[in-house]
Amino acid sequence: DGGITQSPKYLFRKEGQNVTLSCEQNLNHDAMYWYRQDPGQGLRLIYYSQIVNDFQKGDIAEGYSVSREKKESFPLTVTSAQKNPTAFYLCASSIPGTSGRKAGELFFGEGSRLTVL
Amino acid sequence: LAKTTQPISMDSYEGQEVNITCSHNNIATNDYITWYQQFPSQGPRFIIQGYKTKVTNEVASLFIPADRKSSTLSLPRVSLSDTAVYYCLVFYKYIFGTGTRLKVLA
Repeated sequence: DGGITQSPKYLFRKEGQNVTLSCEQNLNHDAMYWYRQDPGQGLRLIYYSQIVNDFQKGDIAEGYSVSREKKESFPLTVTSAQKNPTAFYLCASSIPGTSGRKAGELFFGEGSRLTVL
Repeated sequence: LAKTTQPISMDSYEGQEVNITCSHNNIATNDYITWYQQFPSQGPRFIIQGYKTKVTNEVASLFIPADRKSSTLSLPRVSLSDTAVYYCLVFYKYIFGTGTRLKVLA
C-alpha cells in the first residue's frame, strides 16, 4: 500500500545533540512538508520541498535543516541550535499544485515524538 | 505571516449538524481551501477541499462565499467518533488554521 512512513516513532535526545527524523513516501508525490506540533497546539510549518534538490523555509525553520536528494525522501535534522525541540513532528506529501483537482490534499505520516532529556 | 483563524472549541450533541468557520483574509487567487481532521497522536486526515461556492462529499460540505475570505465546514449528523480537532488549510501557503476542538456529547 502507498503511504508515508516516519521513523522513529519515539526519539529521545540529550541536550546538544543533533537528531535526524526520517520521512519516506511511495506515493510518487513531488511535494513534501515538515510540521511541528506542540501539546494542545496547532501545526506549524518548518520546511517544505516542491521538487528534488529544492526546499523552502517555513515559519519556524530556525534550528532545523532538511535535504531532498531523492523524490521519496525528506529527512529533517533537529540541530542543537533548536532550543526547545520537544514536540510531535509530522511529515506530509502532496501532488503538485498545478494538478488542480486534489491539489491541497496532504497525506500525513503517523508522526515522530521527540523528547529532550 | 499569513493568519488563518478558527474558533478554539465547540460542543455539539450526537445527530446535530455542526458548522465550523475559518477566516483567511489574505487568501490569494490561486489558493485552495482544505479541511482536515486530527485525532490525538495521529497525523491529520483530509476531509474536503474547495475553491469557491459549495462542495459536498460523502462526509462533509464546504461553503465558500464569493470573496473567499472565509469558509465553513459543515458536518451533518455528528457522532461521538467525530470528536477531534478540525483544521483549515489554505493551500499554496501551507499554513494551517489555529484549529477547532469539537466535542460531541451523547
